[in-house]
Amino acid sequence: DAGVTQSPTHLIKTRGQQVTLRCSPISGHKSVSWYQQVLGQGPQFIFQYYEKEERGRGNFPDRFSARQFPNYSSELNVNALLLGDSALYLCASSLVRTVNEQFFGPGTRLTVL
Amino acid sequence: TQLLEQSPQFLSIQEGENLTVYCNSSSVFSSLQWYRQEPGEGPVLLVTVVTGGEVKKLKRLTFQFGDARKDSSLHITAAQPGDTGLYLCAGEPGSNYKLTFGKGTLLTVNP
Repeated sequence: DAGVTQSPTHLIKTRGQQVTLRCSPISGHKSVSWYQQVLGQGPQFIFQYYEKEERGRGNFPDRFSARQFPNYSSELNVNALLLGDSALYLCASSLVRTVNEQFFGPGTRLTVL
Repeated sequence: TQLLEQSPQFLSIQEGENLTVYCNSSSVFSSLQWYRQEPGEGPVLLVTVVTGGEVKKLKRLTFQFGDARKDSSLHITAAQPGDTGLYLCAGEPGSNYKLTFGKGTLLTVNP
């Protein structure tokens, strides 16, 4: 079975632009969480979606938004990009609304110039 | 904000040595997980501990959850170059479905 997939793998944007990152969870998994990992730090929780509804949100500005589709895939949108948004964006899926058994994708490396 | 402090931040050892990394907090966690992350990849779950005092073994890796569920340790016996990576601990404070990660311990095992 395929693991969590994310696209694109790498992305370069300039300040002020908008970006959309995509995530496909493991087949059968209904929960998707998004994390931001800045170089040298551990991942920081951004959102959790379960059954297409936002179930949790971390301490991120409203420029960050996400949604989950009927097939449980998810998109993370970031508007008005700042240099500080440069990071590895990770998606994790789990079977149910739990964080105990999350499986991470390889991430999308976003560079903001 | 619940913080997880990991120590040491960096560790470089020779193949065959033993090591322990620590994950500490002033807060109680309902569960705690250990991940290993290699460059350019997402974290891979190694173990989840949920009971205070719990000890889990995974081949040469031994994980312990503190009695008060505020701290954890990872011990590796006879480290191998393949153990090289960033070791992250992550905890779920309460049952709010949010994971808090430590900054990680970057382990290098030299042949």
